[in-house]
Amino acid sequence: DAMVIQNPRYQVTQFGKPVTLSCSQTLNHNVMYWYQQKSSQAPKLLFHYYDKDFNNEADTPDNFQSRRPNTSFCFLDIRSPGLGDAAMYLCATSREGRGTDTQYFGPGTRLTVL
Amino acid sequence: GQQLNQSPQSMFIQEGEDVSMNCTSSSIFNTWLWYKQDPGEGPVLLIALYKAGELTSNGRLTAQFGITRKDSFLNISASIPSDVGIYFCAGQLGNNDMRFGAGTRLTVKP
Repeated sequence: DAMVIQNPRYQVTQFGKPVTLSCSQTLNHNVMYWYQQKSSQAPKLLFHYYDKDFNNEADTPDNFQSRRPNTSFCFLDIRSPGLGDAAMYLCATSREGRGTDTQYFGPGTRLTVL
Repeated sequence: GQQLNQSPQSMFIQEGEDVSMNCTSSSIFNTWLWYKQDPGEGPVLLIALYKAGELTSNGRLTAQFGITRKDSFLNISASIPSDVGIYFCAGQLGNNDMRFGAGTRLTVKP
């Protein structure tokens, strides 16, 4: 059974056109993460939510925003996608985000910017 | 941030061979995790290690948490074609602070 679900799996948008990616989880975990992964690179953390508390990484561009309306769902909004934002976007969850808690990843959404 | 040095970058092996890859760092980690990522998919957790010196197996996979807490290795025995993919090590420094290695790309020739 899918535990971390991402929709859509593939998203195409135009340069500058806002896009929203979604993630849902059935694990009832408190922490949800968004990562960006470019080709042949490791995932890079953009931000995370602990419950409703939002935590941004220092080098995440302002172009990236996130919303978590409830425990199960988290959204990644890209306000004005540029060509450099084309990547795989991964959602992950963790029970409490402790250093001893495992992160579980969704299948990812591959974003293409035309 | 603290770097994880993962090696080798890539491996080309024959089906049936054993594989070994490792990660090292100058930092002490609370947890070491090994993930496998297939093309177009998210990373899938293979093994999680929580204690220094811990040796854990998952089928043909074996991983160890180094005694100094600064390194980990992953071994795959008797490789098969479906082992193809990118293997990432990840270490957790603290709360919500997971660092990834650069990945090892494994190719298995039938």
